[in-house]
Amino acid sequence: DTAVSQTPKYLVTQMGNDKSIKCEQNLGHDTMYWYKQDSKKFLKIMFSYNNKELIINETVPNRFSPKSPDKAHLNLHINSLELGDSAVYFCASSPGHGNYGYTFGSGTRLTVV
Amino acid sequence: AQKITQTQPGMFVQEKEAVTLDCTYDTSDPSYGLFWYKQPSSGEMIFLIYQGSYDQQNATEGRYSLNFQKARKSANLVISASQLGDSAMYFCAMREYSGTYKYIFGTGTRLKVLA
Repeated sequence: DTAVSQTPKYLVTQMGNDKSIKCEQNLGHDTMYWYKQDSKKFLKIMFSYNNKELIINETVPNRFSPKSPDKAHLNLHINSLELGDSAVYFCASSPGHGNYGYTFGSGTRLTVV
Repeated sequence: AQKITQTQPGMFVQEKEAVTLDCTYDTSDPSYGLFWYKQPSSGEMIFLIYQGSYDQQNATEGRYSLNFQKARKSANLVISASQLGDSAMYFCAMREYSGTYKYIFGTGTRLKVLA
């Protein structure tokens, strides 16, 4: 059983489109995250939810909107995709905001053409 | 200022030898956590080891140990008896609290283990 699963694994789309990436964790963790990894491998947090409540919302364009229907799911919707949105997006979860390591999903490689 | 600094973009190590990956950090939060992650070429991120700011002893997990020097604000990862499968990107990360929790990753070090 995959602990943190993201779909799709690859996403190629045209500029201006709207797309969603789904994330689900079966670990019973309270906290979920979205990270963006750029072409230089730099990882930057985008959002964090704790028990469906938004905790961290970094400086991210408002074209990005997270949705957490329950604590096991954290989806990412992106409107009006731009070339600069091309990256690998990682979902992760942890038992809480304490000193726990994350469990990451396998990533979604988004390519905007 | 960089919160997490990994000064080695790339490292080589001979198989079976030990290697140290450097990480320095900067925070004013007295209660912070330091983490190391491994990212193989397949792309997944794997949690390796954690060190809390109040932990008296250096963290160890199998062949991984964290050389925590609080006064120097360094949290270097030591991999003993390197294996070919250790070839990967390694990221140092920090959790701090300043009104809200912040999680910051370093820029990573690419390790190549030579046969």
